[in-house]
Amino acid sequence: SQQGEEDPQALSIQEGENATMNCSYKTSINNLQWYRQNSGRGLVHLILIRSNEREKHSGRLRVTLDTSKKSSSLLITASRAADTASYFCATDARAGNQFYFGTGTSLTVIP
Amino acid sequence: SQTIHQWPATLVQPVGSPLSLECTVEGTSNPNLYWYRQAAGRGLQLLFYSVGIGQISSEVPQNLSASRPQDRQFILSSKKLLLSDSGFYLCAWITFRGVNYGYTFGSGTRLTVV
Repeated sequence: SQQGEEDPQALSIQEGENATMNCSYKTSINNLQWYRQNSGRGLVHLILIRSNEREKHSGRLRVTLDTSKKSSSLLITASRAADTASYFCATDARAGNQFYFGTGTSLTVIP
Repeated sequence: SQTIHQWPATLVQPVGSPLSLECTVEGTSNPNLYWYRQAAGRGLQLLFYSVGIGQISSEVPQNLSASRPQDRQFILSSKKLLLSDSGFYLCAWITFRGVNYGYTFGSGTRLTVV
């Protein structure tokens, strides 16, 4: 399947530290997105990176994409307790507009 | 403004009972609509998507069905629920933000089949 896989599954860091999450996928993509989910809530779109881009920034977020390795990473700098959430990558099939999600990384930021 | 509504937020249903979850969007026309299911502690599984009225694509065989009777309405149904249908169901639509686009999700329905 095209579903992505994030690692680590769980990550616990101290406030102020950086958090890095990785995503690997299996097939060619048009775009890769990262989403955040607070416990029991819907997902919120964070950032999109296109297949012809290698790096993208948005505030404290930095996303990289390596299409040769079929992998992406999400870096959250200077983490805050409010960043505690699950983070998912999602990839799209070249043929359509549907996105396939990974299993997620659960991030805990300790104040 | 563009919003997405999903209800109910929580649902407890007995095995064998029917199901109907509704999702509506506002502020757009002819959106692509999606139903996802999230099992506890797991990622999201795409169940159905629709690119227009009456057009439903199913991603996986299951005990569920979907319908799109109106442009901005997407319904997830089951005639007889199974225990394995328990999960967190999320409706989403594609929103376009200039050169970027992504899903906007509803707040989800927590379904527990007992």
